[in-house]
Amino acid sequence: EEQLVESGGGLVQPGRSLRLSCAASGFTFDDYAMHWVRQAPGMGLEWVSGISYNGETIGYADSVKGRFTISRDNAKNSLYLQMNSLRAEDTALYYCVKLTYSGSYYNWFDPWGQGTLVTVSS
Amino acid sequence: DIQMTQSPSSLSASVGDRVTISCRASESISNYLNWYQQKPGKAPKVLIYAASSLQSGVPARFSGSGAGTDFTLTISSLQPEDFATYYCQQSYSTFRVTFGQGTRLEIK
Repeated sequence: EEQLVESGGGLVQPGRSLRLSCAASGFTFDDYAMHWVRQAPGMGLEWVSGISYNGETIGYADSVKGRFTISRDNAKNSLYLQMNSLRAEDTALYYCVKLTYSGSYYNWFDPWGQGTLVTVSS
Repeated sequence: DIQMTQSPSSLSASVGDRVTISCRASESISNYLNWYQQKPGKAPKVLIYAASSLQSGVPARFSGSGAGTDFTLTISSLQPEDFATYYCQQSYSTFRVTFGQGTRLEIK
C-alpha cells in the first residue's frame, strides 16, 4: 500500500522557519514527482510546490516563491519543505502528495498524506 | 497561471438527485482536468482524471465530461456518502498546478 506520512508541523512565530518532512513507502519513490498542497482552516486547496522525480524540475506558487524550498532525498524516500520567513497566511494543513501518471501525459495527485498542521502566530 | 473557476460554490440536494458541478479554465487545458472529493477531516481523494476517466474503486454514479475550458462533474443519483466538497484541478501545467475554489455539496 502506498503511504505518505508528513511530520514537522507546529506553532511558530511570524518570521521564523520550519522544515516539513514526508516519508514515503509502498512505491518506488524515485520514479515519481512529488508535491506539497496546503489547506488553510475552512478554506480550499492551494498548491504550494512540486519537484520532479530527479529533483531537476521544481515549481512554486507565487505566494511562497523566494521563501519556501522543496527538496527530496531519494535514498531516504523522503520529501521536504523548508519554510522561511513564515507569515500568518501560511497557517494551514500541509499535505504531501504523489503525482500519479497514466501513460505519458495524464497525471493526478494520489495518494495524499494525512497532513501536518502549521500555525504561524505570535 | 491558469485560473480554475467552479460553480456553484455550494449546492443543496437530496438523496437520489442528479447533481452537476461545473469547472471553467481561464485558457484551454485540453482534457488535463481532475476531480477530487474531500470529506470533513479527511484528505482529498481523486474521483476522475483526464476529464472523464473514473479512478479505480470510484462508484459509476460519478462521471466527468468536457474539454478545452469547460468541464462538468455529474453524480447521477446522490447517495448519503456523497455529501462532501468537490474540487477540480488542472494538470496541464505539472509544476504550476491550480485548483478550483471548491463546491460544497450539502443535504437539503
